[in-house]
Amino acid sequence: VMTQSPLSLPVTPGEPASISCRSGQSLLYSNGYNYVDWYLQRPGQSPQLLIYLGSNRASGVPDRFSGSGSGTDFTLKISRVEPEDVGVYYCMQPLQTPFTFGPGTKVDIK
Amino acid sequence: QVQLVQSGPEVKKPGASVRVSCKASGYIFTNYTIHWVRQAPGQRLEWMGWLNPGTGYGKLSKKFQGRLSLPRDTSASIAYMELSSLTSEDTAIYYCARIKLDYYHGLDVWGQGTTVTVSS
Repeated sequence: VMTQSPLSLPVTPGEPASISCRSGQSLLYSNGYNYVDWYLQRPGQSPQLLIYLGSNRASGVPDRFSGSGSGTDFTLKISRVEPEDVGVYYCMQPLQTPFTFGPGTKVDIK
Repeated sequence: QVQLVQSGPEVKKPGASVRVSCKASGYIFTNYTIHWVRQAPGQRLEWMGWLNPGTGYGKLSKKFQGRLSLPRDTSASIAYMELSSLTSEDTAIYYCARIKLDYYHGLDVWGQGTTVTVSS
């Protein structure tokens, strides 16, 4: 089971933001990688990959996004929020099937 | 460019079946697995299953076993999601997405989504 906090996050452009994700079991695999991804679903769009294996930015993702954590506790940080960052952020574990997603954190502008 | 293009919206009656297609372009179809994820209204994303288009091997979520199949047409680079015995709880947007075979780097490309509505 994946949980996230907060579930709603009003943000001010230019300010930092942080989302937490917790797994009911360790996502640290024997190869040393943490199997957790982060996705952003903008309003009316398909989800898009931001971070994979805990801390690797996907191609084309701005460097203001970063992922950290290990084991069961993970964090997505946005160093300076931009208006286009609004949407719902999901963490997902792909270590075991069925892959499971967190409930989502809705980020909007204050 | 790399893309997954899905078929159009569907309206089905309870008990019917639905087939959603996902056409891949811009990359080698058999170098990636295809995953299916759905999102019911107001709900979190839900993973349904995956398929290796090259081998035909895949795995389904136990929740859908018995009424979900994931065939493919490798000559046309198309993956399908077939769901039977539909109920109103299957009303959702269905997405396909890909994962590279040789090294995990996330669900990096997603289809645009297909809305399936189940209503009498």
